[in-house]
Amino acid sequence: GENVEQHPSTLSVQEGDSAVIKCTYSDSASNYFPWYKQELGKRPQLIIDIRSNVGEKKDQRIAVTLNKTAKHFSLHITETQPEDSAVYFCAAVKAAGNKLTFGGGTRVLVKP
Amino acid sequence: EAQVTQNPRYLITVTGKKLTVTCSQNMNHEYMSWYRQDPGLGLRQIYYSMNVEVTDKGDVPEGYKVSRKEKRNFPLILESPSPNQTSLYFCASSPTPTLGVVNEKLFFGSGTQLSVL
Repeated sequence: GENVEQHPSTLSVQEGDSAVIKCTYSDSASNYFPWYKQELGKRPQLIIDIRSNVGEKKDQRIAVTLNKTAKHFSLHITETQPEDSAVYFCAAVKAAGNKLTFGGGTRVLVKP
Repeated sequence: EAQVTQNPRYLITVTGKKLTVTCSQNMNHEYMSWYRQDPGLGLRQIYYSMNVEVTDKGDVPEGYKVSRKEKRNFPLILESPSPNQTSLYFCASSPTPTLGVVNEKLFFGSGTQLSVL
């Protein structure tokens, strides 16, 4: 089955700096890669996603890149703000699959 | 309001005492799923359902049961809970029966923190 590894497990950045989280996946048939943000005590919520036919996608301060050949994808947060502090999960899904396989999560702390 | 409702939010029980965590969605979603969240392990899928009366195992199904008799409800049943099932559980739903195609955003419930003593 699919295996998704996520690094780093914790990330501390100064407000205004950038944060980068990296994930690798094992199954070359995976074609959809969402990112979820979970604030303390809350439910995970989708923040951005990317499909395998696209190399990069941006949404304001958030961007995701995908390298299909190397089977890795990354989340980039620019100009970080305290409200970006949360746990971020990457995930992978096979085409028309039924399973969303998550990475282990990255706890991001943005220091004012 | 469109939502996924889980109950209870917190549950403390003892080993071997059967329990049910309920999950209900009001969005007429086809797909529903249960996950458990443990530190460092992310969210791991327990069971999922693509439609009424259609359920299948996820990655960690041992010790759990589910049923999908109605489209809106997807209860998680622990017949004989054990301490290693102490975890934070999330129910989620999606509009389409399969993921990885289109419009497959997962909507999560608020979570159930379960402690088995």
